[in-house]
Amino acid sequence: EVQLLESGGGLVQPGGSLRLSCAASGFTFSSYAMSWVRQAPGKGLEWVSAISNSGGSTYYADSVKGRFTVSRHSSKNTLYLQMNSLRAEDTALYYCAKGAGITLDHYMDAWGKGTTVTVSS
Amino acid sequence: QAVLTQPASLSASPGASASLTCALRSGINVDTYRIYWYQQKPGSPPQYLLRYKSDSDKQQGSGVPSRFSGSKDASANAGILLISGLQSEDEADYYCMIWHSGAWVFGGGTKLTVL
Repeated sequence: EVQLLESGGGLVQPGGSLRLSCAASGFTFSSYAMSWVRQAPGKGLEWVSAISNSGGSTYYADSVKGRFTVSRHSSKNTLYLQMNSLRAEDTALYYCAKGAGITLDHYMDAWGKGTTVTVSS
Repeated sequence: QAVLTQPASLSASPGASASLTCALRSGINVDTYRIYWYQQKPGSPPQYLLRYKSDSDKQQGSGVPSRFSGSKDASANAGILLISGLQSEDEADYYCMIWHSGAWVFGGGTKLTVL
């Protein structure tokens, strides 16, 4: 059974940094692309970033480009999202999602329960 | 103008059918895209329902009932999620999604009420 467990969320001041982690199990982590998707309170889904199975390709939403960095550690079966220069509008529940294939254009077929990030002074 | 536009809400009666639309922005041709649909219930992550591009390029999510199906309305430049035989458990938010210009794009979501 695919399991994705996000962690690292919390309260941070504007301009601060946070690193999210997603521990994956139940599948061959190195064989699948991974994504981060966020959902602001009471709002819809917003794709944030994706990384190919090898980590060689990464893509970002315009709203986070230059501030967020996605990475993965295959031997630890873990996906990361380094978030810098955080803004109030980054406040959201952040989901880790497994891609259905190796490349970034594979849809997300499994999701974690999310970790909450609150940016506020 | 948003890339994908969904009506904010839709109501339908149990046993009836509901047609949820996902309109693509003018200049983005629905014929060339695979449209993905997700269901999200309160307090839970999204769940994949299905993908539709054409009758020869479609995929049902694992365990998703056949009363959920996809189609397109070329005249409206829109993707459609059809839910037949509505049940109370179908009450949820529904999101469409496409891969566009190197990014995943979600529609704003439709809140489906079954009453």
